[in-house]
Amino acid sequence: AQRVTQPEKLLSVFKGAPVELKCNYSYSGSPELFWYVQYSRQRLQLLLRHISRESIKGFTADLNKGETSFHLKKPFAQEEDSAMYYCALLTRLDSNYQLIWGAGTKLIIKP
Amino acid sequence: GAGVSQSPSNKVTEKGKDVELRCDPISGHTALYWYRQSLGQGLEFLIYFQGNSAPDKSGLPSDRFSAERTGGSVSTLTIQRTQQEDSAVYLCASSLAGTGLNYGYTFGSGTRLTVV
Repeated sequence: AQRVTQPEKLLSVFKGAPVELKCNYSYSGSPELFWYVQYSRQRLQLLLRHISRESIKGFTADLNKGETSFHLKKPFAQEEDSAMYYCALLTRLDSNYQLIWGAGTKLIIKP
Repeated sequence: GAGVSQSPSNKVTEKGKDVELRCDPISGHTALYWYRQSLGQGLEFLIYFQGNSAPDKSGLPSDRFSAERTGGSVSTLTIQRTQQEDSAVYLCASSLAGTGLNYGYTFGSGTRLTVV
């Protein structure tokens, strides 16, 4: 079954502390994964894609096929990182391509 | 347009009334998706349009919900006989098709529906 699991509904850390938002997936094909972020009163937007191996706003995510994980990390959290974060998996069935979404993790950065 | 446009941004309606929500996707994006986001909750998939293919309606919660996409562009989500549990933010997203999805979805700012 295709599935994305974000085990933490809420994560609260102090400013300057490291952050790790967990994402695990289940997929029989070659996974392509994304992290999306939704800041307060803003639209849901793409944060990063694993295929581009990019670092955005200090966040990185490494695909670990052995552990079927795509955890989002940042070494030093900032208050402006407080937001809702969603992990998503690109799935393909015939010509039907869709993103499967995790339930989301609300990140709160305490001052 | 430059982004995905949704209207109205806010809608308050009386229980039992019908509502129509509109989504104008990015030009050239052949795939269009509707999601529902309840307060503090994740994304609930509703319906997916891809080009001229039959839409994937598997996420529609009841037969009161329907959606259409005219001319492969603008989409309208209709909720008939609204109920209070329909209150949520309705999000629309569009994307390139197939491997273009490597670039992900682009979301609109949503329509906040309140049923009173």
